[in-house]
Amino acid sequence: AQSVTQLDSHVSVSEGTPVLLRCNYSSSYSPSLFWYVQHPNKGLQLLLKYTSAATLVKGINGFEAEFKKSETSFHLTKPSAHMSDAAEYFCVVSYDYKLSFGAGTTVTVRA
Amino acid sequence: DADVTQTPRNRITKTGKRIMLECSQTKGHDRMYWYRQDPGLGLRLIYYSFDVKDINKGEISDGYSVSRQAQAKFSLSLESAIPNQTALYFCATSGPGTSGSYEQYFGPGTRLTVT
Repeated sequence: AQSVTQLDSHVSVSEGTPVLLRCNYSSSYSPSLFWYVQHPNKGLQLLLKYTSAATLVKGINGFEAEFKKSETSFHLTKPSAHMSDAAEYFCVVSYDYKLSFGAGTTVTVRA
Repeated sequence: DADVTQTPRNRITKTGKRIMLECSQTKGHDRMYWYRQDPGLGLRLIYYSFDVKDINKGEISDGYSVSRQAQAKFSLSLESAIPNQTALYFCATSGPGTSGSYEQYFGPGTRLTVT
């Protein structure tokens, strides 16, 4: 069975400081992993995806994530938070062409 | 125009009523999905369809049914709505990406309240 655990339900950062969202996954084979973002009252938007081509994955809006097989992690980072990054973020693992979602991490950005 | 559309966007209904949520896509994808989102639980899969003649139950299908009317249309029905079906419902589609990853594209969501 495939699953993901997002280690923080809420992260608060100051504008201009780094953002780190932590995700661990469980998969019986080489997974496809994704990060999605959901802004308030909006649908989900794909930030980035890992599909075994490269362990460091760059996404939209300055986000990137690193796949670490030895740690079964896929943490999302951004060097400098912007007010527009306030949203909920979901780590997702793909299995049998279906997705399993983490519970989500809500990011608050302080001015 | 949006690639994945959902109607209605908001709906309030009473316990015991039948309700249908509709989803249409213009991405030409074969695969379509219905999820519900509840606070602190992420998204959970209700039903999915890999083509018009293929319908499969997801994690939480009890109380729901679906119909794949065409490649582009996938509707979700609540036969007799109950208050714990109050949630945000998302439709999604997927097709082979550039790396064969089948990432999913989501509609804007339907907020359903059952009183």
